[in-house]
Amino acid sequence: SQTIHQWPATLVQPVGSPLSLECTVEGTSNPNLYWYRQAAGRGLQLLFYSIGIDQISSEVPQNLSASRPQDRQFILSSKKLLLSDSGFYLCAWSVTDSRFGYTFGSGTRLTVV
Amino acid sequence: RKEVEQDPGPFNVPEGATVAFNCTYSNSASQSFFWYRQDCRKEPKLLMSVYSSGNEDGRFTAQLNRASQYISLLIRDSKLSDSATYLCVGTYNFNKFYFGSGTKLNVKP
Repeated sequence: SQTIHQWPATLVQPVGSPLSLECTVEGTSNPNLYWYRQAAGRGLQLLFYSIGIDQISSEVPQNLSASRPQDRQFILSSKKLLLSDSGFYLCAWSVTDSRFGYTFGSGTRLTVV
Repeated sequence: RKEVEQDPGPFNVPEGATVAFNCTYSNSASQSFFWYRQDCRKEPKLLMSVYSSGNEDGRFTAQLNRASQYISLLIRDSKLSDSATYLCVGTYNFNKFYFGSGTKLNVKP
């Protein structure tokens, strides 16, 4: 069966520090991969999606970047965090057929102080 | 305009009640639709897909109306454990999923 792992679960970082969040998927090949952010009390905002290695699309201009160095690995990064980067970051995967929905990782709660 | 919009609630209902949520979408080319459930401080989890013919899973019924561009979720015989935020989702090009902001449901004893 397929599983998705995301870490760390919680992170507190100072303003201006770098960020690296990692997500890996097991049990499938060539998944579509996604990064979402959910600000407190808000909906899910799609940040990046990837349909293959080194194929990344950005949905909104921001202080973040994403990379996919391996088929089942998706990394979210920032060189310098802003206070507004605080939120709940969720990685998700899907097969190429959208009828089957997404599966989310357990998320990383990031607080920038 | 948001791709997917839904009433944030909260909907406060007693146990055993029937409750319905609606959600509208703006892009008529949307391909697939889903309802997700999100518990407090947890990741969203797929509740059910939504088909044009309507579909039912136990106490839950989902409907899609393409002409009016809305989807609905009906929960019968509400349980305390149904308390959560319900997110509606539409998909677009390359399987991008756009989420509504969620409707909060509180089921009271």
